[in-house]
Order: sequence, then C-alpha cells, then structure tokens
Amino acid sequence: KAGVTQTPRYLIKTRGQQVTLSCSPISGHRSVSWYQQTPGQGLQFLFEYFSETQRNKGNFPGRFSGRQFSNSRSEMNVSTLELGDSALYLCASRRSSNEKLFFGSGTQLSVL
Amino acid sequence: LAKTTQPISMDSYEGQEVNITCSHNNIATNDYITWYQQFPSQGPRFIIQGYKTKVTNEVASLFIPADRKSSTLSLPRVSLSDTAVYYCLVGDDTGFQKLVFGTGTRLLVSP
Repeated sequence: KAGVTQTPRYLIKTRGQQVTLSCSPISGHRSVSWYQQTPGQGLQFLFEYFSETQRNKGNFPGRFSGRQFSNSRSEMNVSTLELGDSALYLCASRRSSNEKLFFGSGTQLSVL
Repeated sequence: LAKTTQPISMDSYEGQEVNITCSHNNIATNDYITWYQQFPSQGPRFIIQGYKTKVTNEVASLFIPADRKSSTLSLPRVSLSDTAVYYCLVGDDTGFQKLVFGTGTRLLVSP
C-alpha cells in the first residue's frame, strides 16, 4: 500500500510569490491534515479536511488556505509569501478522526 | 483542548530503558493519547496509542495512570537508531478537534 505522497519535495520561492503544495493520502483515507514545522515553533497544525470539508483550522493567517478534492487528494496554498514561511510543510492522512495519522515526508519550502 | 508538556531533551545509552513523560492536565473524557517518532527531514511516524492503563506493542509501552493527566512512553533497550524527536498528541475520538502537538522530546542515544 503506497504511503502519503507530497510534492514537490523541495521548493524555492521569493517573497510575495504564492505556492501550492500537493498531498496524496493513503488509499481509503478521507482525512488530510497539514502542518508547518520550523526549528523554533515545532509542529504547528494548519487545518484538516475530511470528505472535501475543512473540519478545523489552526491559528494561521488567511494567506494559508487549502482544499480537498473528491479523490481525497489535498492542496495547500500560501499567498504573498514571507521569509517566515520558510519551513517544512507536512501533510498526514487518516481514515477517521480517532485513527492514527500517517505522515508524508514533507515539502521543504525556502522563501528568499 | 488538552495542551501537552514534555521535557525538551533526554540523553541515554544503548541498551537502557527510556521513559518519556507527557503531561496533559486538562485531558477530556473522550481524549486518547498517541505518540509519534520523528527523524530529521521525515514526517512523524506512529509509535503507540492508548486510552487508559497500559498498552504494549512490539516497539514500546504506554503507561497511563488512572487520572489520565499524564502518560509515559517506555522504550526498552534503546539503540542508536532510536535517536529522534518524540511527540505526544492528545486527540478526541468523537470529532475533528485541532491536532496540537507538544514541543516534542529530543532523545539522544549514545554508544
């Protein structure tokens, strides 16, 4: 069974640009959640989608948005990039709210 | 929403047992406790999950006292490859609450 797949693995952008990250969950998993990880702030929850609906959202500005498609794949978008958005962005999938999370390897975003 | 507190770092030697404790004083009745392990440049990986008392699997044990205000991850006979960051997560099995990870515990295993 294939794991959670995130693309691209690495990304370099400049301030003011926007970026879209992709996450393909494990087959059969309807939930996808996104996280930002930086050395100083640890693992921060961005949002979680289940069956194409956002179920919860972390404390991030509106520049961070996401969506989920009918095949459960999810995308995360960050607009007007700032230097502080440089981080490892992780997504995780699970079958339902009380099941364990399976994480992808992440997308390393560098904003110059 | 249960906030978790863990030690920032721990040191151990190969072959020793390591116990990492997570405090979650305001855990709710329906909350369960899950531990994850993370290596550099990788996503966290599930280790163990429990609701109360003791749970054991092939890699770890999880001890949860009766009041459930804390939990302890026990790693028997650690090896160098157990050097990683360990996170505890308190989650609700009745809905989709925010998934708030603690700061994690950085475990360093030395020869």
